[in-house]
Amino acid sequence: NAGVMQNPRHLVRRRGQEARLRCSPMKGHSHVYWYRQLPEEGLKFMVYLQKENIIDESGMPKERFSAEFPKEGPSILRIQQVVRGDSAAYFCASSPLGGRPDYGYTFGSGTRLTVV
Amino acid sequence: AQTVTQSQPEMSVQEAETVTLSCTYDTSENNYYLFWYKQPPSRQMILVIRQEAYKQQNATENRFSVNFQKAAKSFSLKISDSQLGDTAMYFCAFMKLGNTPLVFGKGTRLSVIA
Repeated sequence: NAGVMQNPRHLVRRRGQEARLRCSPMKGHSHVYWYRQLPEEGLKFMVYLQKENIIDESGMPKERFSAEFPKEGPSILRIQQVVRGDSAAYFCASSPLGGRPDYGYTFGSGTRLTVV
Repeated sequence: AQTVTQSQPEMSVQEAETVTLSCTYDTSENNYYLFWYKQPPSRQMILVIRQEAYKQQNATENRFSVNFQKAAKSFSLKISDSQLGDTAMYFCAFMKLGNTPLVFGKGTRLSVIA
């Protein structure tokens, strides 16, 4: 049973380009959470999605960032017109429908985005 | 809003010794959950141990145990018989009840020395 799969593992973008980060939750999981980790910092919550619904996006920057979790396929975190400050590791976590997130989400290995 | 504070940016311990990592948090909630996560150089976030605030008994998982002091809002992690594989960043995290986000501290970098 594969865990949470994130790709790519590393992504380099030039300033002004778009970055697309993908997350496939564990099989049977329908809740996805995205977190961002800046260098030497803890993870900070960005957005919480269920299939076809954004439940909580209180941690998302107002501009350039968007997220989706379609009925079919992975969840996508999209960053438009990237700037150097977007350089960070982006983590995805998942939990099952009706599950107990208090047991601790299952995290992916993250995507390290570098903006040059 | 909840906050989590880890006051030790870096720590080191000799192999086979015991080390304690500190964590304090601030919340007005009465029921909540606390976690310690380990992040080795591979970057994978690994759940080490969890504690339910309504349980007075401290959680233990093999060599890992916590000292949960609810009144003091303190949640320290003790690692016994430290092993080289314990070298990692350790993050303390808080979560309210329900499907709510985890709130993380800034982490403590632990080095286990042979």
